[in-house]
Amino acid sequence: EIVLTQSPGTLSLSPGERATLSCRASQSFSTTYLAWHQQTPGQAPRLLIYGTSIRAPGIPDRFSGSGSGTDFTLIISRLEPEDFAVYYCQYYGGSPYTFGQGTKLEIK
Amino acid sequence: EEQLVESGGGLVQPGGSLRLSCAASGFTFSSYEMNWVRQTPGKGLEWLSHITTSGGTIYYADSVKGRFTMSRDNAKNSLYLQMNSLRGDDTAIYYCARRFNLWGRGTLVTVSS
Repeated sequence: EIVLTQSPGTLSLSPGERATLSCRASQSFSTTYLAWHQQTPGQAPRLLIYGTSIRAPGIPDRFSGSGSGTDFTLIISRLEPEDFAVYYCQYYGGSPYTFGQGTKLEIK
Repeated sequence: EEQLVESGGGLVQPGGSLRLSCAASGFTFSSYEMNWVRQTPGKGLEWLSHITTSGGTIYYADSVKGRFTMSRDNAKNSLYLQMNSLRGDDTAIYYCARRFNLWGRGTLVTVSS
């Protein structure tokens, strides 16, 4: 099983700032199988990025993903008020599909 | 509009059973692999099960293997999760997800006496 560890657990930033979220895997896998999801309170998760760096339809270009091997990163270039949420990375290359524990992005 | 709507959640006693449903609309349901994912209150996401387009292959997380059964009816555009031998730690919001790029709003399952 691939275990994903996200850091930091909580990130406190102001609107307009840049956010960098990290996701580290317990073993290496193809970049094809790494996704990022956003979840706001009371809502279902929403796919942001798949294949490590491909934005899902309708996702603004201030969201970008990168990485390879065991280290993956989600960057939000200029935070908007609606970006303050919890972000999960996910491995979906095969069973069991696993999620990181989440990074909470909160307003400073 | 592409949509997934879960139903069937509720309060059930430990050891009891519940059947969740997920109704799909706005897309060709039979063309997509599907998943169930749950989220315990205030906690993160846990993948539970995955089913191929025909229903011929199903995978389960160890935490639910032998207790939960996933199935689909492509003629009814519906996905199901039969949950047996429910325990307190099964209390969660249960989501169905299409390949993880479309999620339902979830249905709450509470296991308590």
